[in-house]
Amino acid sequence: DQQVKQNSPSLSVQEGRISILNCDYTNSMFDYFLWYKKYPAEGPTFLISISSIKDKNEDGRFTVFLNKSAKHLSLHIVPSQPGDSAVYFCAASVGTYKYIFGTGTRLKVLA
Amino acid sequence: DAGITQSPRHKVTETGTPVTLRCHQTENHRYMYWYRQDPGHGLRLIHYSYGVKDTDKGEVSDGYSVSRSKTEDFLLTLESATSSQTSVYFCAIRQGGNTEAFFGQGTRLTVV
Repeated sequence: DQQVKQNSPSLSVQEGRISILNCDYTNSMFDYFLWYKKYPAEGPTFLISISSIKDKNEDGRFTVFLNKSAKHLSLHIVPSQPGDSAVYFCAASVGTYKYIFGTGTRLKVLA
Repeated sequence: DAGITQSPRHKVTETGTPVTLRCHQTENHRYMYWYRQDPGHGLRLIHYSYGVKDTDKGEVSDGYSVSRSKTEDFLLTLESATSSQTSVYFCAIRQGGNTEAFFGQGTRLTVV
């Protein structure tokens, strides 16, 4: 049972445009959400997070939106750059012990 | 970068042999995790630890055991390796509360 789902395996975007990556979850008890970026042959690196008491969090070019009623999370990257090409994972946690990750979306930013 | 080191970085082993992967941290973080990454499955939690000698199972724990005898070390053991355990294994550490986890560089394990 996949509690955190990323339904788009891949996404291509032109440089300078907006990239929108989506994530859906099924467990309404999740209270903390994160996005990670992963380059080949490296470990995932933390990008941005959001608590369930908020609906938006912004950090530079990255903004995460949370829609609790729809159990939906999205990551916006504006403007997209070629260096943003990577696999993006969303993750969710309930309590403080463990994170459940989605299957990932491969973003390709075209120059 | 978070002080987290995985060893070995690459390993090829034969079916049926025991294998131990090591995760070492210098951050004194309470929580440590082992994940595996496979195409189409993303990152799946194998086991995690919330303190010395305190561990619990994750989503895909069958065939794996862990031990944490010191804060800084978290060992993952494949008791009898199978080809289905060919994967990239990531260790992660986390301080606690609503904080992010930091990942190691990964160990690529191939079971032949």
